[in-house]
Amino acid sequence: QKEVEQNSGPLSVPEGAIASLNCTYSDRGSQSFFWYRQYSGKSPELIMFIYSNGDKEDGRFTAQLNKASQYVSLLIRDSQPSDSATYLCAVSSGSARQLTFGSGTQLTVLP
Amino acid sequence: DGGITQSPKYLFRKEGQNVTLSCEQNLNHDAMYWYRQDPGQGLRLIYYSQIVNDFQKGDIAEGYSVSREKKESFPLTVTSAQKNPTAFYLCASKETGGNNQPQHFGDGTRLSIL
Repeated sequence: QKEVEQNSGPLSVPEGAIASLNCTYSDRGSQSFFWYRQYSGKSPELIMFIYSNGDKEDGRFTAQLNKASQYVSLLIRDSQPSDSATYLCAVSSGSARQLTFGSGTQLTVLP
Repeated sequence: DGGITQSPKYLFRKEGQNVTLSCEQNLNHDAMYWYRQDPGQGLRLIYYSQIVNDFQKGDIAEGYSVSREKKESFPLTVTSAQKNPTAFYLCASKETGGNNQPQHFGDGTRLSIL
């Protein structure tokens, strides 16, 4: 059974701070890793994806991947109240590249 | 505009009734997926299809059925055998070329029992 675990939160950070979201996965054969943001009552939207060890930066977002530790994280710099949402970690594996999702971390950015 | 359209946005099911959720995409994506999301939970895979006229069961396929007669369409039927159908249903699609293509989601359908 493939598992993806996220710190359940809720996580609260002050506006302008760095928010750190973490995810571990059980399947060592996993190939790609995705972070989705989901606002309450809405569908998930893609924030970033990463498939090589190391860091990948896109604006205020940085994804970090460590395959040896089976760990992926998302850093949000200069957090804004509009970043308040649930963040879903998803891991791709298998011949059909199916995604397995974590249960999400709820982030609140306090003004 | 290109995208994934799910309908209806809200759906109510009576006991013993089958209902069908629509998912249409004009992104020319080969692969399509159906997920279920319960409150406070992540997404769980119901069915997926990588090509027309072929589909595979996901982790929670019992009580559901799908068809893939056209590339653009992947409807999901929630049968009366699904005893706890109340959930948020999400359809997704992606390109199959390359190993790392992300899935993109429609706006979802909320299903409730009357």
